[in-house]
Amino acid sequence: EAAVTQSPRNKVAVTGGKVTLSCNQTNNHNNMYWYRQDTGHGLRLIHYSYGAGSTEKGDIPDGYKASRPSQENFSLILELATPSQTSVYFCASGDPGQSSQNTLYFGAGTRLSVL
Amino acid sequence: GQQVQQSPASLVLQEGENAELQCNFSTSLNSMQWFYQRPEGSLVSLFYNPSGTKQSGRLTSTTVIKERRSSLHISSSQITDSGTYLCATGGNNKLTFGQGTVLSVIP
Repeated sequence: EAAVTQSPRNKVAVTGGKVTLSCNQTNNHNNMYWYRQDTGHGLRLIHYSYGAGSTEKGDIPDGYKASRPSQENFSLILELATPSQTSVYFCASGDPGQSSQNTLYFGAGTRLSVL
Repeated sequence: GQQVQQSPASLVLQEGENAELQCNFSTSLNSMQWFYQRPEGSLVSLFYNPSGTKQSGRLTSTTVIKERRSSLHISSSQITDSGTYLCATGGNNKLTFGQGTVLSVIP
């Protein structure tokens, strides 16, 4: 079973502060993703990566940066956090070339509150 | 871009009843998947089903590409089936999710 670990699980930040959400996966997947989930919007893609050193913009990238320093780690960075970024953030990994299931494995989520 | 609509938005069942959840998408898909989100928030994959019918226990997924829809059938519902069911579609694992169906199964 694929393992995706997010940290922290809960975070309270101040407006204007910097927030870094971390994600680690142990199954050597090439692709990793950051989603946010809000009531009424479902899961929306923020940034994703096809491998170490690559980051791509998703559907709602404004206000976020991403970093993929290694195959295992993918971070989401909020340089200047705003209350509108209060949400639950999910990291996921998956590798369509590796598995016929072609599915995603999700972390447990990070609940972020920006005050 | 791709739009994914799920219905109903919420559903209450008595234990033992069946449910049919629907997912409609706006453009041709390369991938159709169903996920289950537990009440505490964690997400697990149920089906990868780009076409045809797949079954796993009491769950059956049917995708009809020409009609741009997929359904998830839950038979003999149990209280532990409660949670949110999400469908997602897209290509190269860049998925677009629907807003989900919140299922509550009561005794």
